[in-house]
Amino acid sequence: GQQLNQSPQSMFIQEGEDVSMNCTSSSIFNTWLWYKQDPGEGPVLLIALYKAGELTSNGRLTAQFGITRKDSFLNISASIPSDVGIYFCAGPNYGQNFVFGPGTRLSVLP
Amino acid sequence: DGGITQSPKYLFRKEGQNVTLSCEQNLNHDAMYWYRQDPGQGLRLIYYSQIVNDFQKGDIAEGYSVSREKKESFPLTVTSAQKNPTAFYLCASRPGVLEKLFFGSGTQLSVL
Repeated sequence: GQQLNQSPQSMFIQEGEDVSMNCTSSSIFNTWLWYKQDPGEGPVLLIALYKAGELTSNGRLTAQFGITRKDSFLNISASIPSDVGIYFCAGPNYGQNFVFGPGTRLSVLP
Repeated sequence: DGGITQSPKYLFRKEGQNVTLSCEQNLNHDAMYWYRQDPGQGLRLIYYSQIVNDFQKGDIAEGYSVSREKKESFPLTVTSAQKNPTAFYLCASRPGVLEKLFFGSGTQLSVL
């Protein structure tokens, strides 16, 4: 089946720094979803992308749909402590379900 | 408030016991899903249902069963055949084809 890869696996940054992470696939996707998960909670949808080249922002978060349709990027500007968590990308799998990447674990140091 | 409610938040299973995790949504979403998450890992699909009285196996359906008798409810039973049930279980729903997926707050299942 389709698989997604995310990098980096984990990252430690200072508060105030900008963050970049990406998600790649061996096959083409027509939708990319980005989620954040806090410990012990369900993932919360951050941004949805539907067109190649699309750039969408949600506050300090910006995500882009790669023009090859095989990748997507998420940037967080001026990180704050509450940005800590796991960030997942997801895309529609064959049929009616979604495939998820393994996640990028973000830690923010004060 | 509209949303997806999972209960209980924490559940303990004894050897040889079946347990059922509840998932209810009042969003009028057509499709519902169950995912399993192990520590430090991504989400793996157990079962999904697109309409009432119909459901399909996901990637790791063995040892699990579901039912979809009502649009708003999609309970998951972890049977005694699931030998490694300890995990965080997430229920999700989606309003239509290629629409966004929304999650409940999860149930942590542990084995006594």
